[in-house]
Amino acid sequence: NAGVTQTPKFQVLKTGQSMTLQCAQDMNHEYMSWYRQDPGMGLRLIHYSVGAGITDQGEVPNGYNVSRSTTEDFPLRLLSAAPSQTSVYFCASSTRESSYNSPLHFGNGTRLTVT
Amino acid sequence: AQSVAQPEDQVNVAEGNPLTVKCTYSVSGNPYLFWYVQYPNRGLQFLLKYITGDNLVKGSYGFEAEFNKSQTSFHLKKPSALVSDSALYFCAVRDGLGYSSASKIIFGSGTRLSIRP
Repeated sequence: NAGVTQTPKFQVLKTGQSMTLQCAQDMNHEYMSWYRQDPGMGLRLIHYSVGAGITDQGEVPNGYNVSRSTTEDFPLRLLSAAPSQTSVYFCASSTRESSYNSPLHFGNGTRLTVT
Repeated sequence: AQSVAQPEDQVNVAEGNPLTVKCTYSVSGNPYLFWYVQYPNRGLQFLLKYITGDNLVKGSYGFEAEFNKSQTSFHLKKPSALVSDSALYFCAVRDGLGYSSASKIIFGSGTRLSIRP
């Protein structure tokens, strides 16, 4: 049972480079999201999606793009990497329940360093 | 907009003693509250969630959480701490006001729990 799979696990970029962080889930979850984790700041929501073809901005969306063409995949694109984007990135998914209390399932994270 | 506060960066407890990790929240609609735990180099794992009407919620690994509507708090508790409980704990809230905003799940800054033998 794979759950939420994130690739790569580690990545080093130079300032100005672009890249895509991959996220895939095999639980048929409608809701998917991206967070970044920085020391002392907890997890901050970057973008989220409530289903294929629908995305919305979170707390810190600048510098990141997302798309949701399938239920399974939710890639996060860094358009022009900056040192401020050095962080650990987590993808998470959940079912869409009418009571809104469905817990998130997390991937193991991608550690990104921008030099 | 919803928000979550975890006022303590670190909580230190002796093994066998009770522990409390504090969380307060602010939402526009009904609160949907969660606790997660993170072990080193791993993603977050779900511990428990608030269920409407239950002021004391029981979760995984012997943890429970006390919901207090008047104080807008959802503190995590355990009657007897174990060394293996040492980890980073996050409180999270999902605003129940409408489907779009309900999909935003916001996390607190985290509390590092350290249990000494």
